[in-house]
Amino acid sequence: EADIYQTPRYLVIGTGKKITLECSQTMGHDKMYWYQQDPGMELHLIHYSYGVNSTEKGDLSSESTVSRIRTEHFPLTLESARPSHTSQYLCASRGRGGAFFGQGTRLTVV
Amino acid sequence: DQQVKQNSPSLSVQEGRISILNCDYTNSMFDYFLWYKKYPAEGPTFLISISSIKDKNEDGRFTVFLNKSAKHLSLHIVPSQPGDSAVYFCAALTQGGSEKLVFGKGTKLTVNP
Repeated sequence: EADIYQTPRYLVIGTGKKITLECSQTMGHDKMYWYQQDPGMELHLIHYSYGVNSTEKGDLSSESTVSRIRTEHFPLTLESARPSHTSQYLCASRGRGGAFFGQGTRLTVV
Repeated sequence: DQQVKQNSPSLSVQEGRISILNCDYTNSMFDYFLWYKKYPAEGPTFLISISSIKDKNEDGRFTVFLNKSAKHLSLHIVPSQPGDSAVYFCAALTQGGSEKLVFGKGTKLTVNP
């Protein structure tokens, strides 16, 4: 069973608020990813990291930012939330044998 | 440009029969492939993977077949169970390269009792 955790699971927040979605893994994986998925749609890569102090933007443009100060922690931040940011955000880490996802955060901006 | 393609949006099978989910890719640099199962409002659950040095990998009811020359892989589920009903995603990456995990659009599998 994969040890990767996302909090919160669900978040409803007002427009203009700053939010941070948390993602932590205890497997010591160097590679971590953030994906965005709208209902019934494909997963789009928005950020990834090869290790500490390494972050790259993904294929889908996103107004969010990420940081990787510790191996186990890969938080995603939105400085000013908008309704267009409403989506499901999925964090994953990759090690030998596969890539494993957290439970996801369902974000609704009202 | 879709590098990983799942051309069947949906598949319906009877309980106990075989489910075959297909995936094609265009990037010849991909050398590691993964299959996931996903329920709404949850994260994808890793099922099985295969490296390009193999053409088959088996884990319980799940078997993945890889045809490198055709750039095609498939996931077989035998026997299919109603609990297998979910959206299945195929994903691919290049090991030692960008390591970006690229997903297909998914296939919704329905297993009827």
